Formats: sequence, C-alpha cells, structure tokens
Amino acid sequence: DTAVSQTPKYLVTQMGNDKSIKCEQNLGHDTMYWYKQDSKKFLKIMFSYNNKELIINETVPNRFSPKSPDKAHLNLHINSLELGDSAVYFCASSQQTTLFGQQFFGPGTRLTVL
Amino acid sequence: AQSVTQPDIHITVSEGASLELRCNYSYGATPYLFWYVQSPGQGLQLLLKYFSGDTLVQGIKGFEAEFKRSQSSFNLRKPSVHWSDAAEYFCAVAADTGRRALTFGSGTRLQVQP
Repeated sequence: DTAVSQTPKYLVTQMGNDKSIKCEQNLGHDTMYWYKQDSKKFLKIMFSYNNKELIINETVPNRFSPKSPDKAHLNLHINSLELGDSAVYFCASSQQTTLFGQQFFGPGTRLTVL
Repeated sequence: AQSVTQPDIHITVSEGASLELRCNYSYGATPYLFWYVQSPGQGLQLLLKYFSGDTLVQGIKGFEAEFKRSQSSFNLRKPSVHWSDAAEYFCAVAADTGRRALTFGSGTRLQVQP
C-alpha cells in the first residue's frame, strides 16, 4: 500500500548509457514531480506534471526527459549519462485542487554513474 | 522567486535537550511553509506545514514551528530531543501561484549525543 513508489532504488551504470527511473503513486493525485538531491543534500525541482501536462521544466539538460503516460505515473528517462548526473532522484505527488496539496515523496533512486 | 536559508549546516544536541532549527525565507506574498525530515537513506517525511491562521503549528513526533512574518522565519522546535530524531531537516517554501514546486533550504543535519 505504498503511496509513492520508485524503481529502481539503486542504479549503477556507465557513462554514456541511457536509463529510466519509474515512479507511481496510488493516492489519486493530479500532480507529480521530480526532484534531484545532489551530494551536498541540496534538493531542487526538475519537472512537474499536472494531469499529464508539463507545468514546470527547470533548467535541466535536454538529456533528461520526463514522460507521464497517465496521472499515476511519471517516469524519468536520461540519455547519455554523465558523471555529474550521479545523485538521488525523488519523485513526489500532490493534489492541487485543494488549497495547497501536501507533497508526498517516494523513497528515492540513488543513481551512480561510473 | 522564493528562496530558503537554513543557516546551520550541522547541529549537535544531547538527548533530552531542547532543539531549535532555524529557517528564513524570502517570498513577496503569503508563503506556504514546510518542514521535512530525511532519515539516512530514506525519503522525505513531512513534519508540519503552515498555510495561514495560527502562527504556531504542531506537527508529528512532538515538533512544532512558529511562523514570524516580521522576521521572515519559520523555526522548528522540539522541547526534548530523542536519539531517533537524528536526521537531516529541510525547510521548504512554496508559492501560492500556479507554480507549486517546493523550494528547499540546504538542510540542517542533526546529531544527538547520548
């Protein structure tokens, strides 16, 4: 009965590879997010989707491409991985039709690029 | 654009002592303010939030925070710290506009001495 789940939890890969991280929420929320947490623990928004529509697209290399097949899923695909992409990636979801939807976070995916 | 400052990178307290973690925000209008906790290797859990109304908000695990508009602060407090409170604490702010992503502070690492 996990609220926000991410797969995989750990991802180790070589530079230049393409990888995807999947996120699913079973809370019925209409908005989903991807955040990146760097080695210094700093968390920053990358993307946000509301009802499958991209509403936030921060200054992120275009090697990163989010895909939302439906409201419950927001996947992150990364092309041509670089060393600097190593980080923990968190997915989150919220319900924006309330006054302000509390964001629920997934457990994170630790990506290590060798 | 909004921003959050957590001036203390690392704090050590003795078990049973009181705790205050500082958070200052910058935002032109009414902010939505949050405190999240991240235990080692875990995702983020919401401790408490402030939208409006009473400026002293109660959260989970015995935490509380006070919103002071005049000081642009939202400090987190706990009267008696437990060893299990050792974690990373993040203050975050969100705008009351269409952009609902959270802007996080850099975090404060709390260590608890026996």
